[in-house]
Amino acid sequence: SQQGEEDPQALSIQEGENATMNCSYKTSINNLQWYRQNSGRGLVHLILIRSNEREKHSGRLRVTLDTSKKSSSLLITASRAADTASYFCATDKTGANNLFFGTGTRLTVIP
Amino acid sequence: EPEVTQTPSHQVTQMGQEVILRCVPISNHLYFYWYRQILGQKVEFLVSFYNNEISEKSEIFDDQFSVERPDGSNFTLKIRSTKLEDSAMYFCASRGAQGKGEQYFGPGTRLTVT
Repeated sequence: SQQGEEDPQALSIQEGENATMNCSYKTSINNLQWYRQNSGRGLVHLILIRSNEREKHSGRLRVTLDTSKKSSSLLITASRAADTASYFCATDKTGANNLFFGTGTRLTVIP
Repeated sequence: EPEVTQTPSHQVTQMGQEVILRCVPISNHLYFYWYRQILGQKVEFLVSFYNNEISEKSEIFDDQFSVERPDGSNFTLKIRSTKLEDSAMYFCASRGAQGKGEQYFGPGTRLTVT
């Protein structure tokens, strides 16, 4: 399967600190996306990075992609208590647009 | 801002019963998806739908499952004879023709099979 695997599984930080989450995947991809899920709720799209891109920024989010290592990282800078959620990477296999999700990182930001 | 809606939010059913989960995708979107998430596990792709037919389906999407777009707005997932292991959150998602591939998810339907 091409599902991503995130690490760490859980991350707890103080408000204002940066949070870094990593994702690895197994097969070639068209793009990689990061989603956020608050407990018991739906998934919210955060950012998409194409396979030919190496870095993307969106507000306090920074995503990197290394296709040679089949890995991506999501950095949230200056974290806030409201960032507490689970974060998932999802890979989009070339041409299919069906998303394959990783296991997620549970981020807790302590006020 | 347009959003994907799903009904019901929670469905309890007995094993062997049929259930229909309903979704209203974003109105100008053309690609529709169902995913499920068993409690504590990862989100799993079930099926994608485009131009009134299934584009791709996963191994999970067996003969017990079917999807339909009965009118111009609704997108449904039917489970013909529910099993205990069908208990999960079911998410509908849609995607527009524009954009790079980001999908917009509904809030989910929690299905509990007893």
